[in-house]
Amino acid sequence: KNQVEQSPQSLIILEGKNCTLQCNYTVSPFSNLRWYKQDTGRGPVSLTIMTFSENTKSNGRYTATLDADTKQSSLHITASQLSDSASYICVVSDRGSTLGRLYFGRGTQLTVWP
Amino acid sequence: EADIYQTPRYLVIGTGKKITLECSQTMGHDKMYWYQQDPGMELHLIHYSYGVNSTEKGDLSSESTVSRIRTEHFPLTLESARPSHTSQYLCASSEQGVVRFNGYTFGSGTRLTVV
Repeated sequence: KNQVEQSPQSLIILEGKNCTLQCNYTVSPFSNLRWYKQDTGRGPVSLTIMTFSENTKSNGRYTATLDADTKQSSLHITASQLSDSASYICVVSDRGSTLGRLYFGRGTQLTVWP
Repeated sequence: EADIYQTPRYLVIGTGKKITLECSQTMGHDKMYWYQQDPGMELHLIHYSYGVNSTEKGDLSSESTVSRIRTEHFPLTLESARPSHTSQYLCASSEQGVVRFNGYTFGSGTRLTVV
């Protein structure tokens, strides 16, 4: 069964600190992995997208890593800001269908305190 | 700024009413999707479309229906709303092809509450 598991479920950090969110997946055959940021009551917004051959990708203070062998990904946020408070969702796409089906994790709820 | 729009953003409606959630995109994407998301839970695909006159049911069974008469428009309808339909509904669209995933864009969602 294709699954995407994220940890921790929730995380509280102080403003300015760094944090790392984890994503493990069993989706096969793998096509790509995306990290989304979802503010409360809003739709997800893409942060990074990585294919099989990419190990690291950065987008400002967000850096995602991918180990396709162990089927693990992480999202590292540096120098956190209050506006980083949101749910961070790991999404994996397979290449076994023309739909390019997406498999969603439940997200990590990040809260940044001043 | 996303070019996919959902209306209304919030809707509170009584049981038994018929409702239509609107979704429009200006990117010319052929593929469109409807997801349902409960608080703290993952998104579940309920409907998708490959293009005009194409509609398919997703992974999660839903009593809602969709139509795709125009490329840019993918409305979702509930003929008789019930409290169990209370949820957030997210619309998305993507470019053709599995690899070109950069074009996968979500709308801001409709928060539906049925009382």
